[in-house]
Amino acid sequence: EDQVTQSPEALRLQEGESSSLNCSYTVSGLRGLFWYRQDPGKGPEFLFTLYSAGEEKEKERLKATLTKKESFLHITAPKPEDSATYLCAVHGWTQGGSEKLVFGKGTKLTVNP
Amino acid sequence: DGGITQSPKYLFRKEGQNVTLSCEQNLNHDAMYWYRQDPGQGLRLIYYSQIVNDFQKGDIAEGYSVSREKKESFPLTVTSAQKNPTAFYLCASSTAVNTEAFFGQGTRLTVV
Repeated sequence: EDQVTQSPEALRLQEGESSSLNCSYTVSGLRGLFWYRQDPGKGPEFLFTLYSAGEEKEKERLKATLTKKESFLHITAPKPEDSATYLCAVHGWTQGGSEKLVFGKGTKLTVNP
Repeated sequence: DGGITQSPKYLFRKEGQNVTLSCEQNLNHDAMYWYRQDPGQGLRLIYYSQIVNDFQKGDIAEGYSVSREKKESFPLTVTSAQKNPTAFYLCASSTAVNTEAFFGQGTRLTVV
């Protein structure tokens, strides 16, 4: 059973068309939620860390928010250079009783000019 | 320029061979990690190290080995016991375990 689920798996937007990516999680005792951006054939690049419900972080056209069981990555007026796979990772306690950092499978975002 | 360097970028392994992937960081981070990335799957942890001369198995350690003799270096050996080694391997480091991590550019390993 996936403990971190990202949706949608893939998203196509037109340049300027705002949207949101979702990361939902079942780990308990959240210690931190991380967003990364990954370009094809490259390593992930750190974007944000969120620690508690209600927290928000912004960077250029990206804004990350956190509730008790999910996080959203809002993309405002995206540009083609925002095309990438966005990964979510959650640090907390799994259903098996261990403290872990679990990555989701990612959302592949394509922004067409 | 601080960062993490992985080498080589591409690596080809014959059946039955051991190969070693290099990872060096100059960020003065204590924690280092090795992940494996396969299409359609999230990153899976192979090994991690919190401090020099200490390392712990991750979720998929079988068929892999590591060493941490220096703070800056965390090489990964893919042994012949790893039955399906073709994948994209990522090294990362952070100030402490399970905090925001900085990744290298990856090594793509292919079995030929």
